[in-house]
Amino acid sequence: DIQMTQSPSTLSASVGDRVTITCRASQSISVWLAWYQQKPGKAPKLLIYQASRLENGVPSRFSGSGSGTEFTLTISSLQPDDFATYYCQQYNTFPSTFGPGTKVDVK
Amino acid sequence: QVQLVQSATEVKKPGASVTVSCKASGYNFTSYGVSWVRQAPGQGLEWMGWISAYNGNIKYAQNLQGRVTMTTDTSTSTAYMELRSLRSDDTAVYYCARNQGMDVWGQGTTVTVSS
Repeated sequence: DIQMTQSPSTLSASVGDRVTITCRASQSISVWLAWYQQKPGKAPKLLIYQASRLENGVPSRFSGSGSGTEFTLTISSLQPDDFATYYCQQYNTFPSTFGPGTKVDVK
Repeated sequence: QVQLVQSATEVKKPGASVTVSCKASGYNFTSYGVSWVRQAPGQGLEWMGWISAYNGNIKYAQNLQGRVTMTTDTSTSTAYMELRSLRSDDTAVYYCARNQGMDVWGQGTTVTVSS
């Protein structure tokens, strides 16, 4: 199975900060990576698919990059609504696998 | 609008089975697959499996093989996930989602396993 890791596990930031989360795959997954945002008690929400494609309706302050084994999610200017947990997921190969998550909280 | 609506909360005893349903609307059900994901309390997301609503092709997580069955009913645009021989560590919120890159999610179904 492909293992996904994320760093950091927790990130403390302020409104307006530029935030970057890294996701690494244990082997190449090409661009078959998605990013999700999850708030407590809610279902995850797709932000980015195919590593860099912004899902319809997602604010343009979110962006994704990378290919192969290393990927990043960037929030260009953190907004109050962005405090949440973020997960990456590879869907290149079955079984699909998620990263352990990165919690973005208030500094 | 495109949505997935899941069945209600379940409370089960160890050893029992549970079936969670996921009714799709607003899109052509057979043009997409359905993924199932669960999340234990305070934990991350765990991929359980995927089924093609087009041809019934299925992939299950290795750790659930033999206990889980995923099916679809194209006449009602509904996907089902049955989990058998429930244990306490199956207590979780169970989600269905459209596609492998999951663009639409159900609201989640809480399954509690307790004696």
